[in-house]
Order: sequence, then C-alpha cells, then structure tokens
Amino acid sequence: EPEVTQTPSHQVTQMGQEVILRCVPISNHLYFYWYRQILGQKVEFLVSFYNNEISEKSEIFDDQFSVERPDGSNFTLKIRSTKLEDSAMYFCASSSDLYNEQFFGPGTRLTVL
Amino acid sequence: AQSVTQPDIHITVSEGASLELRCNYSYGATPYLFWYVQSPGQGLQLLLKYFSGDTLVQGIKGFEAEFKRSQSSFNLRKPSVHWSDAAEYFCAVALNYGGSQGNLIFGKGTKLSVKP
Repeated sequence: EPEVTQTPSHQVTQMGQEVILRCVPISNHLYFYWYRQILGQKVEFLVSFYNNEISEKSEIFDDQFSVERPDGSNFTLKIRSTKLEDSAMYFCASSSDLYNEQFFGPGTRLTVL
Repeated sequence: AQSVTQPDIHITVSEGASLELRCNYSYGATPYLFWYVQSPGQGLQLLLKYFSGDTLVQGIKGFEAEFKRSQSSFNLRKPSVHWSDAAEYFCAVALNYGGSQGNLIFGKGTKLSVKP
C-alpha cells in the first residue's frame, strides 16, 4: 500500500540554525500539505502546495518557512532560522484531489535547543 | 470564532464496551468532516469522512459517525471496543467554501485508553 514517508524521524538543532524536513508524498498525488503539532496541542495547518506553488498558508507560515518540490518526488519544508517555539512534530500529507482523503506521514519530531 | 471542539481529553473504556467520542464544530456552513486516528509513533490515519448525503457514515475498523446539523456535531461511535483501538482520535473539518484549498482544521484530540 502506498504511503507518505518523512525523514528524518527526529531532528535536533540549535536555535538559529536552518533545518530541512523531507517528505515523499504518494506518487500520483497532486496536493501536498505540511502540518505541525506542538506537544500537547492540536495539529495545525501550515501550508498547502499544488501545481508547484503555494495555494494556501496559515499565519504560522511566516517568512522563516518555505516549501519546495525540488525533483517531482520530494516535498520539503525549510525553516531558515529555527526558534525554540518551532519545536514540534511536523506532518506531511498528500491527496489525489482537493477535499479527498489526505494521507499523512509518520512525522518528524523537531527539537530546537 | 471558527473552531473544532473535542470536549473529552482522555477517555477510558473497558474492552467490549461501546464508545462515543464527541466533536462539535463552529462554522457558518457545513464543512467537510473527518475523523483521524493516531497510534503512537504513527501518522494520522483516516477513519471516515462526511461530505454530504446519509448523515450516518461507516468507516474502517468498525467505526461510524453521525452528522447532526442541528447540533453542529459529528460524534464517532463504535459498538464494541477492542484493545487495539487505544490511540488518539482527532476530529477535523475542511472548509468547502471561501476559496479554501482543503486544509484540515483539527480538534485537540481525545486519547482513548482501553481496560482489559
């Protein structure tokens, strides 16, 4: 069964460092998403991506964040200068169509020290 | 303010007992409704969804949910819980108007524990 994969499973970084979280969506999917979950809080939408451009982003997704689909299979989330409050579980998701089921990856736990 | 509310943070039920997890939403129109489950170390898995039509929807693993427009609710039920159902359950909505691109808005989740 096809699945969304994410690497690494856990990333530890120093405040101010850049991190790149990687996702491989399901191969025939067209819509891609990033969500995050701060420990003990709800899962929050960050950004959606379709047709090689951002289609929607939340107010969390400020200039420190960027997304890219560099090679037609990977979908990355970059945080330019990490802050302590960026520590969270980051989930990637993909779907074949708008409003269709979103398939989630297992997440990357980001810890900013 | 627009929101998804899951009033129960943690529920414990005995194996074999019935289960109902509550979800209420606050939006101007009926959004698309989802229930996801998250087991430890796993991603979120879709249990079921409601877009339109029959207000009682069947999902995987023996779960069902009923949409009640008058109560703005979409409660998840299972008649007989198994120990493997222990997990965290998330209710989510997708706004289907206003140019939304399908992003999900989640409740805070309900952690289900199952007693033998």
